[in-house]
Amino acid sequence: SQKIEQNSEALNIQEGKTATLTCNYTNYSPAYLQWYRQDPGRGPVFLLLIRENEKEKRKERLKVTFDTTLKQSLFHITASQPADSATYLCALQGGYNKLIFGAGTRLAVHP
Amino acid sequence: DTAVSQTPKYLVTQMGNDKSIKCEQNLGHDTMYWYKQDSKKFLKIMFSYNNKELIINETVPNRFSPKSPDKAHLNLHINSLELGDSAVYFCASSQEAGLMAFFGQGTRLTVV
Repeated sequence: SQKIEQNSEALNIQEGKTATLTCNYTNYSPAYLQWYRQDPGRGPVFLLLIRENEKEKRKERLKVTFDTTLKQSLFHITASQPADSATYLCALQGGYNKLIFGAGTRLAVHP
Repeated sequence: DTAVSQTPKYLVTQMGNDKSIKCEQNLGHDTMYWYKQDSKKFLKIMFSYNNKELIINETVPNRFSPKSPDKAHLNLHINSLELGDSAVYFCASSQEAGLMAFFGQGTRLTVV
């Protein structure tokens, strides 16, 4: 069956450290993989998109990698801040018009 | 200006009632979606429309009926509400199908 798996355990890290979140998928062959941020009581906000022919994408303190052989994407936040605390969702196209999300990983950055 | 707006933000209603949630986007996007986020926070796609046409219906009970009067609006009507319908419903839109979606703030539906 098709699955998108993210670590359901919350990730707790110290301010200033690098947070690394993992997204694994099964039985999909996405041309793109996307990452979103969701704060409590709000809708998800698009952060980054990476194409299958890109190994890595950066935006300010964010970095995403995409390994189509391992069927995995890693999402890194460097020099993390308490304001980065949120749930991060990985998403991909599961078919035309179909944007499918993983369950998300909650990140807590402690001062 | 809010890009994707949905109303109401909160909706509390009794079992068996019929209710509607409205969604509008001012981004000029061709694709709109409805998602349900349950108590476990899992975001599940319900419907997808492209240029007013239904493209995806993800085995949602037919008590849920989306309506798209034009490509900027996608409303969700729910008949005979059940306790299990309690969730947060998100509307979203994107220019390209399945990519870089913009979400509304959500409608928290509570069925009592």
